[in-house]
Amino acid sequence: EIVMTQSPATLSVSPGERATLSCRASQSVASNLAWYQQRPGQAPRLLIYGASIRATNIPARFSGSGSVTEFTLTISSLQSEDFAVYYCQQYNNWPPWTFGQGTKVEIK
Amino acid sequence: EVQLLESGGGLILPGGSLRLSCAGSGFTFSRYAMSWVRQAPGKGLEWVSGITDNGDSTYYRDSVKGRFTISRDNSKNTLYLQMDSLTAADTALYYCAKDSSVAAAGPVFDSWGQGTLVSVSS
Repeated sequence: EIVMTQSPATLSVSPGERATLSCRASQSVASNLAWYQQRPGQAPRLLIYGASIRATNIPARFSGSGSVTEFTLTISSLQSEDFAVYYCQQYNNWPPWTFGQGTKVEIK
Repeated sequence: EVQLLESGGGLILPGGSLRLSCAGSGFTFSRYAMSWVRQAPGKGLEWVSGITDNGDSTYYRDSVKGRFTISRDNSKNTLYLQMDSLTAADTALYYCAKDSSVAAAGPVFDSWGQGTLVSVSS
């Protein structure tokens, strides 16, 4: 099973600032990596797939990069609605398809 | 608009059984693989089980293999998860998730229901 490790666990950022979230895979997942956002009390929402492709209707301030084992989600200028928990997910080696433990982005 | 509506959760004794359902609408249900993903209280996301669009192939994580059974009825646009021999470790919010089919390698979940809560406790 591929283990996905996200860092940091919590990121404190001021509105308008840039946030950089990391995700590491225990073995290569090529570019088969997705990012999801989960706001409190809501279901997850797909942000990025293929490591860097924005999903439908996702704002351009969200960007993804990386390949093989190291991945990054960047939010260029945090808006109030972006304070949430973010999960990465690999879909290269399956089953199981595995998620990271999440990074909580909170208001500084 | 894609909608996924889960039902069937509840409080159950250890060793008991539950059947979850997920009704899909707003898309051609029979064309998409589907999965169940769970989230224990205050914890992260954990993929549980998946099924191909026609139901021919099913997949499980090791911890539920032999206890859970995923199935679908494309004539009713409904996904199911039969859960037997439940333990406290199965306590979670269970989401139904639709595969976007954008990736050949595996599922990318582009639509999620609101979840149904399963609580296993004596």
